[in-house]
Amino acid sequence: DAKTTQPTSMDCAEGRAANLPCNHSTISGNEYVYWYRQIHSQGPQYIIHGLKNNETNEMASLIITEDRKSSTLILPHATLRDTAVYYCIAEAEYGNKLVFGAGTILRVKS
Amino acid sequence: GAGVSQTPSNKVTEKGKYVELRCDPISGHTALYWYRQSLGQGPEFLIYFQGTGAADDSGLPNDRFFAVRPEGSVSTLKIQRTERGDSAVYLCASSLQKPPDTQYFGPGTRLTVL
Repeated sequence: DAKTTQPTSMDCAEGRAANLPCNHSTISGNEYVYWYRQIHSQGPQYIIHGLKNNETNEMASLIITEDRKSSTLILPHATLRDTAVYYCIAEAEYGNKLVFGAGTILRVKS
Repeated sequence: GAGVSQTPSNKVTEKGKYVELRCDPISGHTALYWYRQSLGQGPEFLIYFQGTGAADDSGLPNDRFFAVRPEGSVSTLKIQRTERGDSAVYLCASSLQKPPDTQYFGPGTRLTVL
């Protein structure tokens, strides 16, 4: 699985969009980009994933650059409950596991 | 519907003891995973089951760790001769189909080895 690089922490004002970047410059053609988040004392929660195209669901949007070397997770209107550690993961099409890095601590402030 | 459940939520044991951690996956999910998370770090893969068989156990740190899933549903992670370094949160996840399907995580079992 390709290694991903994320900032250690970010702050975001409540109600504003939170844009979380991720670099995955060594990603291969069959690797998907997954985003999970982990709220304190809970298990990780799936957010979204994509391969080449941008994706949107009820939680977030995922923007993947054309060369697939980086991506951005967008929470359009962050709330205090979005404070969590966000993990960007590159997982092979036939991979058996998620390889978590340290993630980005997102703090949403009122 | 019910999510992944794990019992106990907390387990305190003494060095050298044997412990069992239980995971109840989402009903109908064929794939089950165990991860371990140390303080301040992301979860670390331990083992993956597809049905009853362990399809990938490459993450188990040593032979003190063993996991079973005899009927393809509930799984038990077993740790023999526990060491203080085994202290961590043990997370279980399940997915409906084979990887890389979305994984749904339980709340974890916090294991403390004194």
